[in-house]
This record gives sequence, C-alpha cells and structure tokens, in this order.
Amino acid sequence: QKEVEQNSGPLSVPEGAIASLNCTYSDRGSQSFFWYRQYSGKSPELIMSIYSNGDKEDGRFTAQLNKASQYVSLLIRDSQPSDSATYLCAGGYGNKLVFGAGTILRVKS
Amino acid sequence: SAVISQKPSRDICQRGTSLTIQCQVDSQVTMMFWYRQQPGQSLTLIATANQGSEATYESGFVIDKFPISRPNLTFSTLTVSNMSPEDSSIYLCSVVPPGFYEQYFGPGTRLTVT
Repeated sequence: QKEVEQNSGPLSVPEGAIASLNCTYSDRGSQSFFWYRQYSGKSPELIMSIYSNGDKEDGRFTAQLNKASQYVSLLIRDSQPSDSATYLCAGGYGNKLVFGAGTILRVKS
Repeated sequence: SAVISQKPSRDICQRGTSLTIQCQVDSQVTMMFWYRQQPGQSLTLIATANQGSEATYESGFVIDKFPISRPNLTFSTLTVSNMSPEDSSIYLCSVVPPGFYEQYFGPGTRLTVT
C-alpha cells in the first residue's frame, strides 16, 4: 500500500516567518516527489518537484528530500498572506501520483 | 507547461443520470490522468487514459461507472454514470506536457448530484 502522510494542520505562521511543511511516505519505490499548492475552489498548482536527496531551492521555496528517512519537506521563506492555501505532497510511482491529505497553511498578517 | 481546459466547469445533476466531462490540452500528450477530489479530501487517481488503448483503472474504480475515451493526443472525456450523491466531487484531468516530468492539472469540474 503506497501511502503519503501529511499533518492536516492548520499550520499558522506570522507574515515574514518560515513555514515548514512535512510529508512522509511508506513505499521506497517512489523516486520523485512533488509539492502542489491548492487555493480554495481552485485546482492544484505545481510549485516544486524533487528527485534526489538533498535540497532544491526555487525562489522562496525549498524542497528537501531524505530517502533514508522517507521524508519530504517544503520550506517557505518570508511567508506572505497569499501563501495561505492547502499544500499537497505527492509521491510519484511510475506515471502515477499518490497524494497526501494536504496541510492547510495560514499566514497571518 | 500546457494549457488545459475542462468542460463543464460545474454542474448540478439528478441522481441516476450521467455526465460527460471533457478535457482539452493545447499540445499532444501521451498520457492523461483523471482524478477525483471529494469534499474536504485529497486527490485520488481514477484512471490513466492512453491514446489508442483502453484506460487503466485504479482499484475501486470500474469502467462501467467511469467510462473514459481518448480519441486523440489532445482530448479525453470522463463519464460519470448512474450518478448518486456520493459522486459529488471535483473531477480533474492532468497531463505530463512534452519535455516535462511533472503532472499539470486542469481547472476541474465541480459536480453536485442531488
């Protein structure tokens, strides 16, 4: 059973702080991981993908992957109220994605 | 990446009826995927639609309930058949555009069954 686990939150952070979102996965067969952002009433929007151990940075976002611990994280620096959304972690298994339940992030101004 | 459109954007249907959802992409893609997002839930893959072959369904989803067509490399349809209120969900298509490894989602179809 391929499972991706996330804390549903909500995670509340003040504006300008670092938001840390975490995800664990059960099946070591996944070689790729993705973070999607979903605003209420909208479809998921890809913000980061990561395929190898370590960190990957893109603007204010940093994805981290630790395959030994089966752990993926997303850091959002200088959080803005516009970052308030649900963040979905997904593991790639071949062509398929298995999604976690999502973490609600609230950035307070 | 790719421009993906879905029709209809939303619909309210009576139980026992069927609804066909269309997904159109602005570039040729090998695989298209159909997901369901039930209220307050995450995304669940229904099936993978390949051009020229039958769709591959995930556990818990069957062709009689969710028939899929893929007549060409830019278009697919998902039909939700004999609907019940439990089918009320957002239905999303996604694609992997040429030159990419990641899936990108269409805007979704919000279905309410009364």
